[in-house]
Amino acid sequence: GENVEQHPSTLSVQEGDSAVIKCTYSDSASNYFPWYKQELGKRPQLIIDIRSNVGEKKDQRIAVTLNKTAKHFSLHITETQPEDSAVYFCAAPYSTLTFGKGTMLLVSP
Amino acid sequence: DAGVIQSPRHEVTEMGQEVTLRCKPISGHNSLFWYRQTMMRGLELLIYFNNNVPIDDSGMPEDRFSAKMPNASFSTLKIQPSEPRDSAVYFCASSLDWREAFFGQGTRLTVV
Repeated sequence: GENVEQHPSTLSVQEGDSAVIKCTYSDSASNYFPWYKQELGKRPQLIIDIRSNVGEKKDQRIAVTLNKTAKHFSLHITETQPEDSAVYFCAAPYSTLTFGKGTMLLVSP
Repeated sequence: DAGVIQSPRHEVTEMGQEVTLRCKPISGHNSLFWYRQTMMRGLELLIYFNNNVPIDDSGMPEDRFSAKMPNASFSTLKIQPSEPRDSAVYFCASSLDWREAFFGQGTRLTVV
């Protein structure tokens, strides 16, 4: 099955700084790479996704980059704000929707 | 659409009892996933259905866990007998053809 590794497990930044979370995957057939955000006590929700025919995708302060050769993809958050504090999950579905272990992002005012 | 609906939201049960968690996916979605979330293990995929057929149940921890999807609008996850280590938040999610997966609000299970 798919193996997804996510780093770091926790990330603390000051408001206004950038944050980067990286995931690696094992199945070269994977072609869809979503990122989910889970606020405390709530359900995971999709924030951005990318398909394998695209190298980068942006949506306001968040972006995702994909390197299919190296089998890794990253989430970039610029100008972080306290409300960005949450757990972020990557996933690399091919035959199943398998999530990474999550990254707890803490943004300090 | 009301989204993915799970019930109950909270369940407290005694060790050894049977627990049944329920999920109604979004109408028209053809994939359904059951996850278990704990601090130690993160978001674990338990089982995945496609068009009501179980495709991958390799994440089901042991025979005490079973899941069914009798039709496109309903799925259950059953634990019998339950144990304290089963305490977790259980999420159901549904999607259409590998697009965005929508999660239910989860069931917080406590086994005492």
